[in-house]
Amino acid sequence: GENVEQHPSTLSVQEGDSAVIKCTYSDSASNYFPWYKQELGKRPQLIIDIRSNVGEKKDQRIAVTLNKTAKHFSLHITETQPEDSAVYFCAAFKGGGSYIPTFGRGTSLIVHP
Amino acid sequence: ETGVTQSPTHLIKTRGQQVTLRCSSQSGHNTVSWYQQALGQGPQFIFQYYREEENGRGNFPPRFSGLQFPNYSSELNVNALELDDSALYLCASSLLRGNQETQYFGPGTRLLVL
Repeated sequence: GENVEQHPSTLSVQEGDSAVIKCTYSDSASNYFPWYKQELGKRPQLIIDIRSNVGEKKDQRIAVTLNKTAKHFSLHITETQPEDSAVYFCAAFKGGGSYIPTFGRGTSLIVHP
Repeated sequence: ETGVTQSPTHLIKTRGQQVTLRCSSQSGHNTVSWYQQALGQGPQFIFQYYREEENGRGNFPPRFSGLQFPNYSSELNVNALELDDSALYLCASSLLRGNQETQYFGPGTRLLVL
């Protein structure tokens, strides 16, 4: 089955710095890669996603890049703010009618004011 | 916030009991997925229902079963509860059409098995 590795498990940055979280996946049939932000005690919320026919996608301070050949994708957050502090999860979805999503173990991002 | 709701919010059961968790999908969504999230871990996919039929299953034993109703609401049933079943159970709804897989999570049900 699919295996998704996420690094680092914890990331501590100063406000205004950039943060990068990386995920690798094993199954080349995976074709949809969302990123979720989960604040303590709350539901995961989709922040950005990318499909396998696209290499990069941006939404204001957030961007995701995908390298299909190397089977890895990354989340980039620029100009971090304290409210960005949360746990971030990557996921890989294998399509084709019936799909099985696999999530990474999460990255705890701490943004110090 | 999404339009996905779950009930109950919290539940305490004892080992061996059975539990039913409920999810109401976002309006217009025809697909619901269920996840188990243990403390400090990412969500683990249990199964997905599309138009009332199971459409994919993760590595969970048969004592985890589900239903999706014509109005696209859903239930997760767990029989013979074990201590390790203690977790946050999340449902997520989506519109499975073409390559649309974007999922929207509910707030979850926190289950404690004693």
